[in-house]
Amino acid sequence: AQSVTQLGSHVSVSEGALVLLRCNYSSSVPPYLFWYVQYPNQGLQLLLKYTTGATLVKGINGFEAEFKKSETSFHLTKPSAHMSDAAEYFCAVSLGGGSNYKLTFGKGTLLTVNP
Amino acid sequence: EAGVAQSPRYKIIEKRQSVAFWCNPISGHATLYWYQQILGQGPKLLIQFQNNGVVDDSQLPKDRFSAERLKGVDSTLKIQPAKLEDSAVYLCASSTSGTHISYEQYFGPGTRLTVT
Repeated sequence: AQSVTQLGSHVSVSEGALVLLRCNYSSSVPPYLFWYVQYPNQGLQLLLKYTTGATLVKGINGFEAEFKKSETSFHLTKPSAHMSDAAEYFCAVSLGGGSNYKLTFGKGTLLTVNP
Repeated sequence: EAGVAQSPRYKIIEKRQSVAFWCNPISGHATLYWYQQILGQGPKLLIQFQNNGVVDDSQLPKDRFSAERLKGVDSTLKIQPAKLEDSAVYLCASSTSGTHISYEQYFGPGTRLTVT
């Protein structure tokens, strides 16, 4: 069975500081990995995804994540936080195939950006 | 392009009452998903439709939850009777296809259900 663990339910950074949100996965086969962002009272929006190929994935809004198989990790980073980055972030894994690519989400990390 | 539409946005009911949520996916999207997001947790897939057929409903509590997607477009999710633990945000998502990982799921704003 696949699972995702997000370390830290709440991360607080200063504006301009590095953002690091941690995600570890459990999977018996090579996974597909995703990061989603959820702003208050809105649905989820895809930030980036890893399927195959390059392990460093760049997404929207300056975010990127690196797939590290040896560490079973897919941490999300951004060099310089902006106030507008304040939101909840979800890591997700999918092992599906055929007719069903099912996403399993982590519990989420709430990012607070302080001025 | 219009996004995924959901209604109502908020609903408060008493336990043992029934409730229905509606979702209109992005035009042309064959795959539709319903997720339950309990406070403090990530979304959990309840049911996935491919056109008007069910692909996966393994986590749908079928004794009280039901869903349909008539004509392969709009979908409704119903709870009858509701329990306190059903309080959550119900998210609808759609994608062009559920058969390839590159197809992104687009989420609606959700319906926040409070059961008292």
